Amino acid sequence: ETGVTQTPRHLVMGMTNKKSLKCEQHLGHNAMYWYKQSAKKPLELMFVYNFKEQTENNSVPSRFSPECPNSSHLFLHLHTLQPEDSALYLCASSQQSSGTDTQYFGPGTRLTVL
Amino acid sequence: EDKVVQSPLSLVVHEGDTVTLNCSYEVTNFRSLLWYKQEKKAPTFLFMLTSSGIEKKSGRLSSILDKKELFSILNITATQTGDSAVYLCAVEGGTYKYIFGTGTRLKVLA
Repeated sequence: ETGVTQTPRHLVMGMTNKKSLKCEQHLGHNAMYWYKQSAKKPLELMFVYNFKEQTENNSVPSRFSPECPNSSHLFLHLHTLQPEDSALYLCASSQQSSGTDTQYFGPGTRLTVL
Repeated sequence: EDKVVQSPLSLVVHEGDTVTLNCSYEVTNFRSLLWYKQEKKAPTFLFMLTSSGIEKKSGRLSSILDKKELFSILNITATQTGDSAVYLCAVEGGTYKYIFGTGTRLKVLA
């Protein structure tokens, strides 16, 4: 248990569906992240939120839409996805500091797009 | 372009062996290097290294950073089957900017 939870753990959706992934952290952290992990590829950073403000968007297609209503919750809204979007989606959080930070990861959501 | 390269990509050893995993990086604004162990899903944090030449140790695992040569190694001594996992190296290259390597898949045979 890292203090970061994700739901659902598994998700199968069609290309026309709309679904959302949820992440919650119980660590009092101020920064939250979405990562995508595809087979045989490095972990890819998708979005970063700091104090609910999006600070980074690494050229992610608009069919992925993040939402951060508060420092403890992070959502990833999915619509009209492609089969190549099938991957493990990991959420992480870190405590904001002026120095270096350690990220704590959730268990991930295994997404399959049919 | 910032990048992190890990080697080997995969490794198979027998219980009791010692392994060394490598991580080299090219990052414009280096802040720290992190090692994670990923068994099934969520990576778990192992070490964070910021200073050259200072070894971090936790049980049978140890790691050291060389900021001059831009690499780090992760050593595991007396390996056990429970050490089987993917080991990820990541470099913090700016505020909230983490670059990950592809990982080294370690399999320890009984």
